[in-house]
Amino acid sequence: KQEVTQIPAALSVPEGENLVLNCSFTDSAIYNLQWFRQDPGKGLTSLLLIQSSQREQTSGRLNASLDKSSGRSTLYIAASQPGDSATYLCAVLSGGYNKLIFGAGTRLAVHP
Amino acid sequence: GAGVSQTPSNKVTEKGKYVELRCDPISGHTALYWYRQSLGQGPEFLIYFQGTGAADDSGLPNDRFFAVRPEGSVSTLKIQRTERGDSAVYLCASSLMPTTTDTQYFGPGTRLTVL
Repeated sequence: KQEVTQIPAALSVPEGENLVLNCSFTDSAIYNLQWFRQDPGKGLTSLLLIQSSQREQTSGRLNASLDKSSGRSTLYIAASQPGDSATYLCAVLSGGYNKLIFGAGTRLAVHP
Repeated sequence: GAGVSQTPSNKVTEKGKYVELRCDPISGHTALYWYRQSLGQGPEFLIYFQGTGAADDSGLPNDRFFAVRPEGSVSTLKIQRTERGDSAVYLCASSLMPTTTDTQYFGPGTRLTVL
């Protein structure tokens, strides 16, 4: 059974720091891995999607890497800003073209 | 264009009652998904529709939960004889096609509280 773990569970940093959020999964047979952002009381917003054949994806200040063989992904946030404060969720598409399996998320707080 | 919408945004009900939660997917999206998110956890898959049919309902916790999508667009999640443990945020998502390249677009969720 696929399980997704995210470390750390919570993170509080001053503005301007570069951050690394970690995600691990137990079964390397995945189709893709996605990082989402969730703001309080709102739905999930997709940030980056990495296909199983890819090693990384970049969007602005965000960079996500995937090492499928070791079951790990990292989300790198450069020059963090208070507006980056949210919960970041990692999810893998595994076992079928439909079912996303999520980690519990990392709650990020960036203070001025 | 409009995103995925869900109604109501909040629902408070008493134990034992019946509730319906509605999802309007993005126009033209053939795939629709329901997830449930408990406090402090990531979303958990409930059911997936391709068109009008439920292609995978393996995540529904028991037979009190049922979902329909009669015309291949709007979906309703139905919960009978609600229990306090059903309290959670119910999220709906849709995608153009159920492929590995299409991301799922999520609605804002319905927060269900069972007293």
